[in-house]
Amino acid sequence: DQQVKQNSPSLSVQEGRISILNCDYTNSMFDYFLWYKKYPAEGPTFLISISSIKDKNEDGRFTVFLNKSAKHLSLHIVPSQPGDSAVYFCAASAGGSQGNLIFGKGTKLSVKP
Amino acid sequence: NAGVMQNPRHLVRRRGQEARLRCSPMKGHSHVYWYRQLPEEGLKFMVYLQKENIIDESGMPKERFSAEFPKEGPSILRIQQVVRGDSAAYFCASSPGFRNQPQHFGDGTRLSIL
Repeated sequence: DQQVKQNSPSLSVQEGRISILNCDYTNSMFDYFLWYKKYPAEGPTFLISISSIKDKNEDGRFTVFLNKSAKHLSLHIVPSQPGDSAVYFCAASAGGSQGNLIFGKGTKLSVKP
Repeated sequence: NAGVMQNPRHLVRRRGQEARLRCSPMKGHSHVYWYRQLPEEGLKFMVYLQKENIIDESGMPKERFSAEFPKEGPSILRIQQVVRGDSAAYFCASSPGFRNQPQHFGDGTRLSIL
């Protein structure tokens, strides 16, 4: 049973526009959520995280929104750049990341010039 | 490079051989995690270790797989008597162990079984 779901396998966006990547989870014990970006043949690179006591966290062009009642989080990238093209993974943890991370299957983002 | 270091980057083994994957955490990090990624899948947790201790091995297959993080040296993920289904990318992550501090990943070891 998938506890973290990324229902869109792919997303295509024009350069300069907003990219919105979505993630749903089922386990109400999750209290820490992260987004990672991954290029082929490389490891995941940490982008941004949010704890369950917040509903928004912002870092430069990246903003993560958390809706606990809907068990939904999203990553907004504004403005999108061609270098943002990668696979984005949503991950969640119960225990504030000290334990294991549960990953979604990823969304492949393509930003077109 | 102060990041998580994994070696080898690529490892080829024949069925029945042993595979040893190494991971050196980021400087200052004492917590190590191993994940496995199959094609078209997300990363799946295998094991969580601190120095000389296994904290959580709930994701480890019951047989043939073992992990250690000795007092000195890198963490080792060991797969004995490899089978074709072990072919995957194996990623190591480390963290300082404080609450709400992210795990940082290495570039992985791609294991291929002939």
